[in-house]
Amino acid sequence: NAGVTQTPKFQVLKTGQSMTLQCAQDMNHNSMYWYRQDPGMGLRLIYYSASEGTTDKGEVPNGYNVSRLNKREFSLRLESAAPSQTSVYFCASSELDGLNIQYFGAGTRLSVL
Amino acid sequence: SQQGEEDPQALSIQEGENATMNCSYKTSINNLQWYRQNSGRGLVHLILIRSNEREKHSGRLRVTLDTSKKSSSLLITASRAADTASYFCATVHTNAGKSTFGDGTTLTVKP
Repeated sequence: NAGVTQTPKFQVLKTGQSMTLQCAQDMNHNSMYWYRQDPGMGLRLIYYSASEGTTDKGEVPNGYNVSRLNKREFSLRLESAAPSQTSVYFCASSELDGLNIQYFGAGTRLSVL
Repeated sequence: SQQGEEDPQALSIQEGENATMNCSYKTSINNLQWYRQNSGRGLVHLILIRSNEREKHSGRLRVTLDTSKKSSSLLITASRAADTASYFCATVHTNAGKSTFGDGTTLTVKP
């Protein structure tokens, strides 16, 4: 039972490079989320997708784009990475039931040099 | 700004003691949840309390909610070294379909 799977687990980029973080869930959830977590801090919402075919900005969307490829997959793209985007990125999913209990992946640790 | 604010930021106790951490929020919520994060891992959901509930129990966890004060507390009784982790509250805004997480409380339980 995989739950939420994120790839890659670690990545080092140079300033200006691009990359896509992948996320897939096997729980048939409608809603998916991307967060970033900086040292000693909580999660900040980058983008979310309430259901397949919709995406919305969260608290810190600048510098990121997302694609809800299908119900299972939600990717996060950094078009031109900056050192300020060094962080741990978490993907999560939940039912669209008003409770919003979220299930998290293990995270992607990204360093931008 | 963050909806949920936890305090204390860090808490260190001996095994067997109780640990209490608090969360305050600013606007109306549908429910409030607590999550746990072990070092280097993703968050795991612990317990949910709805806006019309005042107290909820799950094993050694007890959560209270005071909507008049816009605050919640998480009590872990008879703590164990394995409870060492960061704990986050998350508020679900009415009809928003998303959660806002606080900055967390780092709990260290010494054996």
